[in-house]
Amino acid sequence: EVQLVESGGGLVQPGRSLRLSCAASGFTFDDYAMHWVRQAPGKGLEWVSGISWNSGSIGYADSVKGRFTISRDNAKNSLYLQMNSLRAEDTALYYCAKDYGSSWSKYYFDYWGQGTLVTVSS
Amino acid sequence: QSVLTQPPSVSAAPGQKVTISCSGSSSNIGNNYVSWYQQLPGTAPKLLIYDNNKRPSGIPDRFSGSKSGTSATLGITGLQTGDEADYYCGTWDSSLSAEWVFGGGTKLTVL
Repeated sequence: EVQLVESGGGLVQPGRSLRLSCAASGFTFDDYAMHWVRQAPGKGLEWVSGISWNSGSIGYADSVKGRFTISRDNAKNSLYLQMNSLRAEDTALYYCAKDYGSSWSKYYFDYWGQGTLVTVSS
Repeated sequence: QSVLTQPPSVSAAPGQKVTISCSGSSSNIGNNYVSWYQQLPGTAPKLLIYDNNKRPSGIPDRFSGSKSGTSATLGITGLQTGDEADYYCGTWDSSLSAEWVFGGGTKLTVL
């Protein structure tokens, strides 16, 4: 059974940093691309970032480019999101999502975690 | 403002049929596959339809998808109260931004 468990969320002041983690199990992690997708309170889904199976290709939404960094450790079956210079508009539930394929820019999101809440406020 | 346009809400009675539209452009729906996600209240999204019209195992055939030009449609027949959820369309956008895009979501109410 595929499981994706996010952690690392919390309350953080504007301008500060936070690192999210996603622990994956139930599939061969290093065969698949992975993503972060967020959902602001009461709002819709917004793709944040994607990373290919071997970290060779990475993409970001314009809204986070230059501030967020996605990475993965295939030896630890883990996905990460380093978030710097956080803003109030980054407040959201952050989901880790598995891609159907090895490329982050082609297929779809076939499994989702339960999310970790990030609140940016002073 | 979402790149893909969905109606904010739809409703129908149990047993009836409903369709949810998703409108985009040539840089997204027009040249890429569409997927649909169901988000039940308080839960994470779940894949419902992929590659425009395919269902993952375990998804009942009451759910269907179609695409024509720059629009896609999700259909649900034999509505059940358990189908009350938010539904999102998503696809790859190959414009300059080169990113995944979603519709704003449609709240389905089963009256």
